[in-house]
Amino acid sequence: AQKVTQAQTEISVVEKEDVTLDCVYETRDTTYYLFWYKQPPSGELVFLIRRNSFDEQNEISGRYSWNFQKSTSSFNFTITASQVVDSAVYFCALSEAPFIIQGAQKLVFGQGTRLTINP
Amino acid sequence: ETGVTQSPTHLIKTRGQQVTLRCSSQSGHNTVSWYQQALGQGPQFIFQYYREEENGRGNFPPRFSGLQFPNYSSELNVNALELDDSALYLCASSPWTGKETQYFGPGTRLLVL
Repeated sequence: AQKVTQAQTEISVVEKEDVTLDCVYETRDTTYYLFWYKQPPSGELVFLIRRNSFDEQNEISGRYSWNFQKSTSSFNFTITASQVVDSAVYFCALSEAPFIIQGAQKLVFGQGTRLTINP
Repeated sequence: ETGVTQSPTHLIKTRGQQVTLRCSSQSGHNTVSWYQQALGQGPQFIFQYYREEENGRGNFPPRFSGLQFPNYSSELNVNALELDDSALYLCASSPWTGKETQYFGPGTRLLVL
């Protein structure tokens, strides 16, 4: 069975600090996808990044960066120079990669990490 | 904005009633998934529809059912509401290639009293 663990339930930092959100996953699939979503107070899940299991290159997008390590089954997310607008709940998610139409591509989410950036 | 809309935004029902939640997918997306998010938890997969047929279901009882229409809209129906059904219900749409990102709507907050 697939499982995603986000051990940090809440993180609070002061603006401009760097912060890393941890994500550890379990799957028996050899091909899978990993995601990060942001959920502001409005409730909508905002897509941030998708990674497939064959691509272990780290990725940077502005102040955001992601570190994918297959050897430790981790997909961590770092925000550099955090801002108050980064305050939200962040979810890591995993999906298998079905190659047949009959397979539903469901997302398995972690419990989320509530990030608060204080001015 | 994802182009995925949901209605209503909030809903209050009493135990035993039935409810219908609606979702309008992004144009061209033939796959819609529904998730239930209880307070303080991550979303849980309810089911997915592809080309108007159910294409997979999570661990939810049959009183949770759905429909998908050719115009990219869909419905989630819940019969015999229970108190534990109180949650944020999210729909997500994606084109079907088996690997596409799911884009979420703003959700419907359901409170069952």
